Amino acid sequence: DIVMTQSPDSLAVSLGERATINCKTSQSILYSSNNKNYLAWYQQKPGQPPKLLIHWASTRESGVPDRFSGSGSGTDFALTISSVQAEDVAVYYCQEYYSTPLYTFGQGTKLEIK
Amino acid sequence: EVQLVESGGGLVQPGGSLRLSCVASGFTFSSYWMSWVRQAPGKGLEWVANIKQDGSEKHYVDSVKGRFTISRDNAKNSLFLQINSLRVEDTAVYYCARDEMWLIHGGQGTLVTVSS
Repeated sequence: DIVMTQSPDSLAVSLGERATINCKTSQSILYSSNNKNYLAWYQQKPGQPPKLLIHWASTRESGVPDRFSGSGSGTDFALTISSVQAEDVAVYYCQEYYSTPLYTFGQGTKLEIK
Repeated sequence: EVQLVESGGGLVQPGGSLRLSCVASGFTFSSYWMSWVRQAPGKGLEWVANIKQDGSEKHYVDSVKGRFTISRDNAKNSLFLQINSLRVEDTAVYYCARDEMWLIHGGQGTLVTVSS
């Protein structure tokens, strides 16, 4: 089974500053036949369901602000918020789908405003 | 817009059963895999089960195998999760999601509480 480890567990960032959340997988989730990384990122605000932000590690969903970006390959990935806004306070999760049709989430990273 | 309305949760004693439902709208339900995802109070997300478009394939996380059964009714745009032999650790909000390998959630979930 693929183990997903996010870091940090929580972070506090000032408004307008950059935030980076990391996700490490226990094995490569880069599928060689299509050169795609099987990773998604979600945002979950209190009392709401998760919202998909990014899939294929770096493809942003329609309507997601461009301050959100995904990067990385193989086993090391990052979600970056270039200029944190108050509405970005949430818990962020990575999810691998390399094991499709079975899936695993990271434990989550809580983003707060400093 | 993907809309998913989950229902069927409630308070149940350990060993009991519940049947969760999810009604979908805003997309062609029969064209997609569907999943259930759960979230224990104050905890992270856990994928639980999924089912292929025609119901011919079903997969489960190890912790629920033999106790949970996923099913669907494409004529009624509905997804179900039969949960038996409930344990305290099954207490969670259960979400259904459109499964494209990445998961599209569209509802508020339904809370299952297992307690004596």
